[in-house]
Amino acid sequence: QVQLKESGPVLVQASETLSLTCTVSGFSLTNYGVIWVRQPPGKGLELMGIIWRNGNTEYNSALKSRLSINRDTSKSQVFLKMNSLQTDDTAIYYCTDVQLVYWGQGVMVTVSS
Amino acid sequence: DIQMTQSPSSLPASLGDRVTMTCRASQDIGNYLRWFQQKPGKSPRLMIYGATNLAAGVPSRFSGSRSGSDYSLTISSLESEDMSDYYCLQSKESPFTFGSGTKLEIK
Repeated sequence: QVQLKESGPVLVQASETLSLTCTVSGFSLTNYGVIWVRQPPGKGLELMGIIWRNGNTEYNSALKSRLSINRDTSKSQVFLKMNSLQTDDTAIYYCTDVQLVYWGQGVMVTVSS
Repeated sequence: DIQMTQSPSSLPASLGDRVTMTCRASQDIGNYLRWFQQKPGKSPRLMIYGATNLAAGVPSRFSGSRSGSDYSLTISSLESEDMSDYYCLQSKESPFTFGSGTKLEIK
C-alpha cells in the first residue's frame, strides 16, 4: 500500500538550514510526484513546493528564494532543503503524493532563536 | 499565484444541521478544486476532488458544487465526527494554493 514518511531534525537553530526527507513506498517517484505542505501551530495549510514525476520542481512564490526540493528515485526519497530559517518557520511539515490522497504523518519542526 | 478566499473562518452548527462553506478563486480554475478535512493532530484527508467528486470512503452526506468562481462544500446532516477544520485547494495552476480554512464547531 502507499505510504509516505517524513524524517528529519525536530529542532533547528534560526538562520540555519532545514533538511527533511520524505521516504515513499507503494509507488515510484518516476510515476508520481510529491508535494511538501507545512502548517504552523494553530494555523492553516501552506503548499511549499512540488517535484513532478519528471523531476521538474515548482515552488511557492513566497518561499522560492530559500527552498529546494530534489529526489533520489533509487531510494524512493524526496528531499526538502530550506535555508535562512526563522522562528515563523516553526511548523508541522508534511509530504503527500501529487494527487494529495496519501499523506505522511508529518514532522514537527521547531526553529529556535 | 491564484488566491483562494475561503469563508466563513468559523462555522458554529448543531448536529443534524445542513452546513455549507465556500471558496472563491481569484481567477478561473475550472473544476480543479479539492476539499480536505483535518482533525486535530491528524494529517489532512481528501474529501472532494474535481469540485464535485467524492473521494473514496467519504460519506454521501458530503457534497461539492460550483457556481462560477465559487466552490462549496456541503454537509447535508451534520454528525459529531464532522467537527473538524476544512480547507479548499486549487490545483489548476502550480503552485497549488489552499484556502485559509473553515473551523466547523458545535454551536
